[in-house]
Amino acid sequence: EAGVAQSPRYKIIEKRQSVAFWCNPISGHATLYWYQQILGQGPKLLIQFQNNGVVDDSQLPKDRFSAERLKGVDSTLKIQPAKLEDSAVYLCASSLDLSGSNIQYFGAGTRLSVL
Amino acid sequence: AQRVTQPEKLLSVFKGAPVELKCNYSYSGSPELFWYVQYSRQRLQLLLRHISRESIKGFTADLNKGETSFHLKKPFAQEEDSAMYYCALLSSASKIIFGSGTRLSIRP
Repeated sequence: EAGVAQSPRYKIIEKRQSVAFWCNPISGHATLYWYQQILGQGPKLLIQFQNNGVVDDSQLPKDRFSAERLKGVDSTLKIQPAKLEDSAVYLCASSLDLSGSNIQYFGAGTRLSVL
Repeated sequence: AQRVTQPEKLLSVFKGAPVELKCNYSYSGSPELFWYVQYSRQRLQLLLRHISRESIKGFTADLNKGETSFHLKKPFAQEEDSAMYYCALLSSASKIIFGSGTRLSIRP
């Protein structure tokens, strides 16, 4: 089966610019996750969708980050405006449903550098 | 607070030597724990989870509630085991909490 697709793979922007990332989960997976992984740290959950609804966005910096999954399939994560500390790898993952025991399948990630 | 601690950033062992990657957790109740692995130029993927009680690629991990640990072990390291390993905990809010990771390097 096709895996989780993410684009772009790399992005370099200047601080205060905007950026958007795209994710297409595995077909049939209802739950989609966005993680932020800062260098030297483990992934940190930003937001979790079940179909097109937000399940958890408690760690999303809502003053500058936004995410949507309008049709319950692919999703976009946006940062506006970006700060230097947003430099990280942004990982998208999907799983069959909300059960925490379900295996999460990860995309290759988008590496963001904010200069 | 629910958290995962991996005390070693880097672990280097010789091929054929035993490997133990340490993981400690903080959680009230019965935890559900995982090990994820990321090989060079590959995606993060699940290696094993304690509820499955399985051995994957020769790796095992036993939950020790008394020591709040979930160390990953392999009796004889192979060069292809070189990777980044993350211990993870399923939180009470059904979120995965990752440790900071340990880079395992196997020397020939």
